[in-house]
Amino acid sequence: DGGITQSPKYLFRKEGQNVTLSCEQNLNHDAMYWYRQDPGQGLRLIYYSQIVNDFQKGDIAEGYSVSREKKESFPLTVTSAQKNPTAFYLCASSIVGPRGGVSPLHFGNGTRLTVT
Amino acid sequence: EDQVTQSPEALRLQEGESSSLNCSYTVSGLRGLFWYRQDPGKGPEFLFTLYSAGEEKEKERLKATLTKKESFLHITAPKPEDSATYLCAVIGLVGGTSYGKLTFGQGTILTVHP
Repeated sequence: DGGITQSPKYLFRKEGQNVTLSCEQNLNHDAMYWYRQDPGQGLRLIYYSQIVNDFQKGDIAEGYSVSREKKESFPLTVTSAQKNPTAFYLCASSIVGPRGGVSPLHFGNGTRLTVT
Repeated sequence: EDQVTQSPEALRLQEGESSSLNCSYTVSGLRGLFWYRQDPGKGPEFLFTLYSAGEEKEKERLKATLTKKESFLHITAPKPEDSATYLCAVIGLVGGTSYGKLTFGQGTILTVHP
């Protein structure tokens, strides 16, 4: 079955350590995204990529970094510079429609990161 | 700046008791409005896309409608398995590429009691 796989499901880290969250998709989608979800808040966009070797900052990119070396993979690194990293992180993908057509995002099942 | 407000924050229903969830939005040129369902500890699951005022979409007990200012998710004769958080998101006209730059509401937590 096609889908998006995020790993691990739960991640615990000490403050000051960098940590990388994995996201793999086999939907053959060109675009991939990282969102952060906090209780009582809407999802917020961290980074997105429309094509391999290219990505753009979202609304809350500070303290995060990404890479897009393969179409299927879009890992997110949470660096020690992120002031409040504990959150639920969601990866998503979508097709890139013609002439800027709107298409829904398909989400993975998330990684819950706890930093102490 | 695009804004999405969902109400109520939480809704408790008895099985079979129909109701509606509201999504009010402010966006510069709506290109699409999305409804998602999210179960605890899972990622959002896509339900509907609405593109223009007057459009309606249905899926089982759910029906989504759209006006120029808001969208409703109507739930008819809900069952306990409909319990979830329902998210609304919009994408508006943004200069250049705007893929995935959805603005999400905070969600409505729906609980359906048997």
